[in-house]
Amino acid sequence: QVQLVQSGSELKKPGASVKVSCKASGYTFTNYALIWVRQAPGQGLEWMGWINTKTGNPTYDQGFTGRFVFSLDTSVSTAYLQINSLKAEDTGVYYCARDPSLSAFDLWGQGTVVTVS
Amino acid sequence: QSALTQPASVSGSPGQSITISCTGTSSDIGRFKYVSWYQQHPDKAPKFMIFDVSRRPSGVPDRFSGSKSGNTASLTISGLQAEDEADYYCSSYTGSTHFVFGTGTKVTVL
Repeated sequence: QVQLVQSGSELKKPGASVKVSCKASGYTFTNYALIWVRQAPGQGLEWMGWINTKTGNPTYDQGFTGRFVFSLDTSVSTAYLQINSLKAEDTGVYYCARDPSLSAFDLWGQGTVVTVS
Repeated sequence: QSALTQPASVSGSPGQSITISCTGTSSDIGRFKYVSWYQQHPDKAPKFMIFDVSRRPSGVPDRFSGSKSGNTASLTISGLQAEDEADYYCSSYTGSTHFVFGTGTKVTVL
């Protein structure tokens, strides 16, 4: 079954770090880019950036540079989002999604709720 | 890159057609053909509905159609059904491997 499965909800204190995982199955992990999306409570979707799953090279959107880190472990077909020095405004749902050709996002994880309080 | 502009809400009765607009600039929607649309039900992950402006992935009903004119893309839902009640987001490529989402539109089926 083709799917992206994300790690469970996290409750963190301000200043801490969190690492969210996104495990792919049912397809060749390195054939598709992986994007990250944030959705703050009651708000819209924000494109955070993407990671090249062949090279591991990350690209961050403005507003997500510095404290946000995208990484991979291709041996287990998993992408990671780490957020350092957490702030209350980082609270939200974080989604990973697959991008077949840098054009659209055709497969989404179920989302991971991160609460900073 | 500012979010693309969508109306906050659109409503229609069952069986009617509605259109959701998504307005960008000549640097995103106006320049590239990579406009996509996503449906999100409450507390669910977004679902892929339209790509490359007007192409439908397999499994998406043909009631959903997309188009673009100038700097504005549109999603039309024909024959509106109760299960279409959800939030809808557009997205566009903006160049240099970056993307932007729209502000989102809540569709209500009356």
